[in-house]
Amino acid sequence: GESVGLHLPTLSVQEGDNSIINCAYSNSASDYFIWYKQESGKGPQFIIDIRSNMDKRQGQRVTVLLNKTVKHLSLQIAATQPGDSAVYFCADKAAGNKLTFGGGTRVLVKP
Amino acid sequence: KAGVTQTPRYLIKTRGQQVTLSCSPISGHRSVSWYQQTPGQGLQFLFEYFSETQRNKGNFPGRFSGRQFSNSRSEMNVSTLELGDSALYLCASSLEGGPNTNEKLFFGSGTQLSVL
Repeated sequence: GESVGLHLPTLSVQEGDNSIINCAYSNSASDYFIWYKQESGKGPQFIIDIRSNMDKRQGQRVTVLLNKTVKHLSLQIAATQPGDSAVYFCADKAAGNKLTFGGGTRVLVKP
Repeated sequence: KAGVTQTPRYLIKTRGQQVTLSCSPISGHRSVSWYQQTPGQGLQFLFEYFSETQRNKGNFPGRFSGRQFSNSRSEMNVSTLELGDSALYLCASSLEGGPNTNEKLFFGSGTQLSVL
């Protein structure tokens, strides 16, 4: 992922709406991608991952989309709930290399 | 199964002091990685230990060190603390592969270190 610096981008979403969180990565050799969720006072928790031989993968209320052409990853959360309020990180890695984390996006769910 | 446990939860130190942080991985996990998380730099990889040996290392100065014990528990040490070392230090465990593989990393809640 690419670091987005000191100020986290913030996505405000109404409860019940769908959320889309975007992430750009820079290494064209990256073949594995992962999304983590970090709630206040906790460590990152795994949400979903995808390998480069896929362009879409679905989990429970979440979908990850991968566009290798433009090196872009997105996480879609369906029917966003208050418990989804957190910072979301994407991470990518190339074979034999370490996982590289992006700077994160804060999601605020409005009741 | 208990998750990754880090102690202490919070630490306040002064410049020049040294600090030791502890991490107990998930039972059966043999790889332990350490990360520094700051608002400005995000999550930065410090090092990874497997079978009591440092297997991978990030780009941090030698003041940052670690070790792993035979029960896979790990400690990291920061000597001669600087103000810029203030951060959340996260430990992550995985079965065997660590952050250089596609194995999932399981994170603890971290130790929040403040250097005054």
